Amino acid sequence: SQQGEEDPQALSIQEGENATMNCSYKTSINNLQWYRQNSGRGLVHLILIRSNEREKHSGRLRVTLDTSKKSSSLLITASRAADTASYFCAVSGNTPLVFGKGTRLSVIA
Amino acid sequence: KAGVTQTPRYLIKTRGQQVTLSCSPISGHRSVSWYQQTPGQGLQFLFEYFSETQRNKGNFPGRFSGRQFSNSRSEMNVSTLELGDSALYLCASSLGQGASGYTFGSGTRLTVV
Repeated sequence: SQQGEEDPQALSIQEGENATMNCSYKTSINNLQWYRQNSGRGLVHLILIRSNEREKHSGRLRVTLDTSKKSSSLLITASRAADTASYFCAVSGNTPLVFGKGTRLSVIA
Repeated sequence: KAGVTQTPRYLIKTRGQQVTLSCSPISGHRSVSWYQQTPGQGLQFLFEYFSETQRNKGNFPGRFSGRQFSNSRSEMNVSTLELGDSALYLCASSLGQGASGYTFGSGTRLTVV
């Protein structure tokens, strides 16, 4: 399966701390994407990293990609209560975008 | 620009009925994908359409069908509803097959009683 798998399943941190989520996958990819979902809502695209890129930044977000280990990480720096959400990675190859089961992040004020 | 619009937002149906959900993608996006989200199974891929053609289909029974119109708007239909079809149905539009990020609608919450 090309599905990405996030780790951990749940993460609880204090406001101001950094949050790191990991994603592993099994096949070759064209790109890997991270999304956020607030409870019961649609997903919001955060960042896309291509297979030939190793690191990408967007505001407080930092994504790394290691294609040799077939893994990616999402770092949220200086977390805020508003970052509380589920975060999903999705891998894109020769099949439709497939999502993992997500990491549930709780940021406590 | 307007986002992805899904209608209706909420729906309650009885077992055995059928339902049609609608999705209007972002202007200029020709690819529309549908996902079913449940607490137990997570996000599961249903279909992907591009320029009125179904390019990919997920592992769902034939009761689930869809189509895309010439203006890129898409509909999905579920016939003979079962209790297990209760879920959040999400539509996403994009420029092409996974080459760019997807923009999701807010979803349709379907409850089957």
